[in-house]
Amino acid sequence: AQSVTQLDSQVPVFEEAPVELRCNYSSSVSVYLFWYVQYPNQGLQLLLKYLSGSTLVKGINGFEAEFNKSQTSFHLRKPSVHISDTAEYFCAVTANTGNQFYFGTGTSLTVIP
Amino acid sequence: NAGVMQNPRHLVRRRGQEARLRCSPMKGHSHVYWYRQLPEEGLKFMVYLQKENIIDESGMPKERFSAEFPKEGPSILRIQQVVRGDSAAYFCASSPSRGQTMYGYTFGSGTRLTVV
Repeated sequence: AQSVTQLDSQVPVFEEAPVELRCNYSSSVSVYLFWYVQYPNQGLQLLLKYLSGSTLVKGINGFEAEFNKSQTSFHLRKPSVHISDTAEYFCAVTANTGNQFYFGTGTSLTVIP
Repeated sequence: NAGVMQNPRHLVRRRGQEARLRCSPMKGHSHVYWYRQLPEEGLKFMVYLQKENIIDESGMPKERFSAEFPKEGPSILRIQQVVRGDSAAYFCASSPSRGQTMYGYTFGSGTRLTVV
């Protein structure tokens, strides 16, 4: 099975500052990696995903993430955050032969004006 | 082109009652997945269904919970004799076929169940 650890439960950051949300995973097989965003009282929206190839992936809303196989990490970054980025962010992993996702416990990003 | 539709959005039940959560997959999708999000936690897989078949129910609690996806109509997640610990957000996702995880499933907006 796979597992995901999101190291920070809450991250406050000032508007227009950069942010990094950390994610580490564990798996004995090849995996796909994802970041989802959840706005209050809404469902999950896919931000970006890593399947293979280039380790730097770009997603929606100016977010990007870097896959590091040796460190089993998939950290999410944004160079300049906006108030509207305030949300819960979930890292998820699935085996490339699997049917289910394993989610981290989430990081609550709060952007301070 | 509607996405994954879940209803109701909010559901309040008294302890001991039954809760029925509905999920209509995206058009053309015949595979449905249910996840539960307990307070302060990430989503956890419950069950994976194809039309008229349960493919994987490894995440379902052994008692009181059941799921179905009939040939016609939405998928139903049924919780009998609800308890306070069942209070959570229940999300549904769908895919057109098996082995589609690489696309990152589309999730519905969820049903928030509150047991009082």
